Amino acid sequence: GAGVSQSPRYKVAKRGQDVALRCDPISGHVSLFWYQQALGQGPEFLTYFQNEAQLDKSGLPSDRFFAERPEGSVSTLKIQRTQQEDSAVYLCASSLDAGVEGYTFGSGTRLTVV
Amino acid sequence: TQLLEQSPQFLSIQEGENLTVYCNSSSVFSSLQWYRQEPGEGPVLLVTVVTGGEVKKLKRLTFQFGDARKDSSLHITAAQPGDTGLYLCAAFRDNYGQNFVFGPGTRLSVLP
Repeated sequence: GAGVSQSPRYKVAKRGQDVALRCDPISGHVSLFWYQQALGQGPEFLTYFQNEAQLDKSGLPSDRFFAERPEGSVSTLKIQRTQQEDSAVYLCASSLDAGVEGYTFGSGTRLTVV
Repeated sequence: TQLLEQSPQFLSIQEGENLTVYCNSSSVFSSLQWYRQEPGEGPVLLVTVVTGGEVKKLKRLTFQFGDARKDSSLHITAAQPGDTGLYLCAAFRDNYGQNFVFGPGTRLSVLP
């Protein structure tokens, strides 16, 4: 596609519910990142994929967060047993290579846990 | 502790004024990037700076990378309402895998 596509755009979840957020990167992009952005703050790193390999997941805040990219293209970020503190915008970014020249971001998924 | 600090946190100016925002760290970076983010959208890359002392210009925006590659500045000349947004600097946290970190941002508002 022309850009990074994320879905859904908005998600309201009841506390304790599981959610799955999808990222469709630019075709052929090797690197894929997930970020969490709280209101009024900069994005916080969650995890990084190079093709299908998850090379860095040091930013995932708890074992309730899980990300996968099984075929090296589409990625899913899953949050189990959502908590109110999980409310944030979740951004996905992709890059053709290691990203030294920058990343292309999607518009994000705004998750609200009530 | 933030790896990247940005100042000021908020800036509100009138159209036509000049401004400078800063990105600082105690760490040395191989490269540093500036992004601009509008409400409801993801960040959009403005520039990448690689060489210490490097200056890059993008129309009315001038970016400078510090000689020691620890800091950077963004100067906007004759600001316009369309420049309104959140300005983020970002860099690789070297030696920590591919952890690409952002500063907290400077929220700029340009009033007509």
